Amino acid sequence: ETGVTQTPRHLVMGMTNKKSLKCEQHLGHNAMYWYKQSAKKPLELMFVYNFKEQTENNSVPSRFSPECPNSSHLFLHLHTLQPEDSALYLCASSQDATRGYGYTFGSGTRLTVV
Amino acid sequence: AQSVTQPDIHITVSEGASLELRCNYSYGATPYLFWYVQSPGQGLQLLLKYFSGDTLVQGIKGFEAEFKRSQSSFNLRKPSVHWSDAAEYFCAVAPEGNQFYFGTGTSLTVIP
Repeated sequence: ETGVTQTPRHLVMGMTNKKSLKCEQHLGHNAMYWYKQSAKKPLELMFVYNFKEQTENNSVPSRFSPECPNSSHLFLHLHTLQPEDSALYLCASSQDATRGYGYTFGSGTRLTVV
Repeated sequence: AQSVTQPDIHITVSEGASLELRCNYSYGATPYLFWYVQSPGQGLQLLLKYFSGDTLVQGIKGFEAEFKRSQSSFNLRKPSVHWSDAAEYFCAVAPEGNQFYFGTGTSLTVIP
């Protein structure tokens, strides 16, 4: 257990479904992140929240919608996804969103879009 | 543009042998540098990080890394590999702000 919990661990969804990924941390961190990990590609930063405010959105399609109700919880809402969105989605947290802090990652949600 | 290169996609070493995983970065100044490890089905775990000072950094699990400014490299080493070290290893750089750039990873196989 790393201190960052992601649920569900695995998710299979159709292209017309709506689902949500959940991330929770009780490390007292103030920054949370969503990353996409695809095979043989570098991790792609999707969203950054610092003190509950979104500070980064790296040109992510609108079919991905993040939500950060408080510093401990982060959601990724999914709708009308494409098969190429199948990947491992990793949540991470850090003390705050400055480069001096390393990330604590969750175990990820393995998403398959059919 | 900033980039991180891990030239070795896959490495196989014998248990007890030494290990070196390569990482090169492209950035004008010295960024913050990190190595992470990912076991199957798990997230990434921080092994070590370099900010400034002594260029040889010690991390967890017996790993160390050396920053070489002249080569823009931050290679990860371990004197004697254990079977439990089999995993995917990622180098990351943080040039400024809150943006991290990750390499594509090196997969390590350890044979008995």
